[in-house]
Amino acid sequence: GQQLNQSPQSMFIQEGEDVSMNCTSSSIFNTWLWYKQEPGEGPVLLIALYKAGELTSNGRLTAQFGITRKDSFLNISASIPSDVGIYFCAGQLPSDFGNEKLTFGTGTRLTIIP
Amino acid sequence: EADIYQTPRYLVIGTGKKITLECSQTMGHDKMYWYQQDPGMELHLIHYSYGVNSTEKGDLSSESTVSRIRTEHFPLTLESARPSHTSQYLCATLRGSEQFFGPGTRLTVL
Repeated sequence: GQQLNQSPQSMFIQEGEDVSMNCTSSSIFNTWLWYKQEPGEGPVLLIALYKAGELTSNGRLTAQFGITRKDSFLNISASIPSDVGIYFCAGQLPSDFGNEKLTFGTGTRLTIIP
Repeated sequence: EADIYQTPRYLVIGTGKKITLECSQTMGHDKMYWYQQDPGMELHLIHYSYGVNSTEKGDLSSESTVSRIRTEHFPLTLESARPSHTSQYLCATLRGSEQFFGPGTRLTVL
């Protein structure tokens, strides 16, 4: 199946720092979604992107749909302890229009150092 | 936001037992999905449904089966659990173009 390469795999940052992570693929996607997952819970949707070049914010989070439609990035500004978790990108291929299946990235584990 | 429920949240069971993981949603959404996820790893789609009496296999082969007799419920069954089935199972429903997830069931097969 298709692969979404998500980087970095893990990040160790201090509280207050900004965070940046991205997803890339060799395939074009129609939709990009960013989720956050905490231990023992299901992923929670953070931001959804539908158009190439779209830049969307949700509080301290900002995500962009790459112009080529093959990538997306997520930024978190001024990180706080509750930002800890695993962040997943997910994309919908044009061939999955109708069933709305998603392809998930490998995740970025964010740890905040006190 | 979609209200989606999964039970049990945790299940520890012996090899060979039959198990059913429940997933229900209160929003009347047609499309529902089951994912399998090892700890900290990516999600893999194992089943999905377009609506009542519609089920399809996902991208990852699974020995589990699903049924969709009612819109609200999308249970997953393992006829004979094995240690290799140990994982987290996540159910999701679709609102618009966005998937919303339940809290998951953590399954451990001894």
